[in-house]
Amino acid sequence: GAVVSQHPSWVICKSGTSVKIECRSLDFQATTMFWYRQFPKQSLMLMATSNEGSKATYEQGVEKDKFLINHASLTLSTLTVTSAHPEDSSFYICSARSGRPTQETQYFGPGTRLLVL
Amino acid sequence: AQKITQTQPGMFVQEKEAVTLDCTYDTSDPSYGLFWYKQPSSGEMIFLIYQGSYDQQNATEGRYSLNFQKARKSANLVISASQLGDSAMYFCAMTGAPGNEKLTFGTGTRLTIIP
Repeated sequence: GAVVSQHPSWVICKSGTSVKIECRSLDFQATTMFWYRQFPKQSLMLMATSNEGSKATYEQGVEKDKFLINHASLTLSTLTVTSAHPEDSSFYICSARSGRPTQETQYFGPGTRLLVL
Repeated sequence: AQKITQTQPGMFVQEKEAVTLDCTYDTSDPSYGLFWYKQPSSGEMIFLIYQGSYDQQNATEGRYSLNFQKARKSANLVISASQLGDSAMYFCAMTGAPGNEKLTFGTGTRLTIIP
C-alpha cells in the first residue's frame, strides 16, 4: 500500500519549453502532496506544498510563476516547469501524505529526471 | 526551525554485519516525528521506519530499528545482517508538531555493502 506514481520518469527538452510532471497517489487519497528538487549528491529540497482544492504554498526562493502546481483531485498533483532553462535541470520528486503509520508519513514517487538542453 | 545532522557522508560495511547510521536532530517543537528513508541509485525514496517523539519503545521494522535517545536528540538507524541490496543513500528526516508536516532532511549517508 501507499504507492505514489510519477510521470514521466525522464524528460529531455529544449530551453524555453514547458514541462508537466504528474504525481498520483494510487491506493490512497492525499489531501496534501509535496514537491521536492534534488541536485546530484545533495539532499532533497522542498519546493512547495500542494493542497487539494487550494493554492500551493511555496518555499522561500521558489518562483511560483516558474513552477506551477495544480492539485486538481485527491489523487493527482501536477508540477509544470514553465519556460525551462538548463539551470532547471534536476531530479524532481513528489510525495504524498498517507495515514500509515502516521498522518505525517510521506510516501514518495519514483522521481522525474529533467534535462533541459 | 528544525535541523537534521548526519555526520557520516559515507560508510563501508562487510556483508552480514550490522551497521549504525547516525542522526541527530534539533527542534523546539514538543512533539515531532522522525523518519528514515532509503534512496537507491534509481532515485526513489523508500520509507523505512518512523519514530514518534512520544513513543516509549524504539521502532522496529524487520531488519531496521531506530535507536531513539530523546535526551541526546539522536535517532540512529540500525540495520542488522546487512545485505548487498542495502547499498544506497540513507536520509534521516523529521516533521514538527501537528500542522507542521514539512519534512526536513539531513544530508544523507551513502552506505556501501562489501561482499
